[in-house]
Amino acid sequence: QSVLTQPPSVSAAPGQKVTISCSGSSSNIGNNYVSWYQQLPGTAPKLLFYENNKRPSGIPDRFSASKSGTSATLGITGLQTGDEADYYCGTWDNSLNEGVFGGGTKLTVL
Amino acid sequence: EVQLVQSGTEVKKPGESLKISCKGSGYIFSTYWIAWMRQMPGKGLEWMGIIYPGDSDTRYSPSFQGQVTISADKSINTAYLQWSSLKASDTAMYYCARRGYCSSASCHRNIGSLFWFDPWGQGTLVTVSS
Repeated sequence: QSVLTQPPSVSAAPGQKVTISCSGSSSNIGNNYVSWYQQLPGTAPKLLFYENNKRPSGIPDRFSASKSGTSATLGITGLQTGDEADYYCGTWDNSLNEGVFGGGTKLTVL
Repeated sequence: EVQLVQSGTEVKKPGESLKISCKGSGYIFSTYWIAWMRQMPGKGLEWMGIIYPGDSDTRYSPSFQGQVTISADKSINTAYLQWSSLKASDTAMYYCARRGYCSSASCHRNIGSLFWFDPWGQGTLVTVSS
């Protein structure tokens, strides 16, 4: 059971929009920055966002991220089949004194 | 290009020891923390610990403390993850990843203040089976 809760799966048609939630608590998301990662099938994770909503160079602006209270959200618009991947949120937990990740959300582009 | 290259696939027996590596290039290796993550088959990411190659300051997840050893050799730009006695439950993909850069002293030693990783190594698959 992950400390951060993500939906196991989401799906949408090409061109549509999808959001992925990441729910935590005051000991993690509530008081620390959130990062997001994309893991394409058979590959290593790749940074999508850091410090809640900062996008590294090379990440398309179809991707967005936000944080409010103890939850964070990743949004993807104009879905493409190449976006099919597992998406993870991550942050630090002050009570556990360790880094924590969500369980991951599998995105299917129908 | 900033890059982390990990050592290759390992197949071991329970009770054996193992040390896997992560070699950095394209940046000053000693000035960035390197973390290790575990991904068990079909499962999510788990943070194992982190090391600062500049002085080998190391922090472990309580879940992995005593189970693995993280080390680094800054002279050859390489970080390591090792086990003294493998178990079948250690079967997983292991990733190293570079922590974002801290420009202040307070951020540097406070791992939680800057918890994001880029880039990641390609992963090392470890299979432990009798």
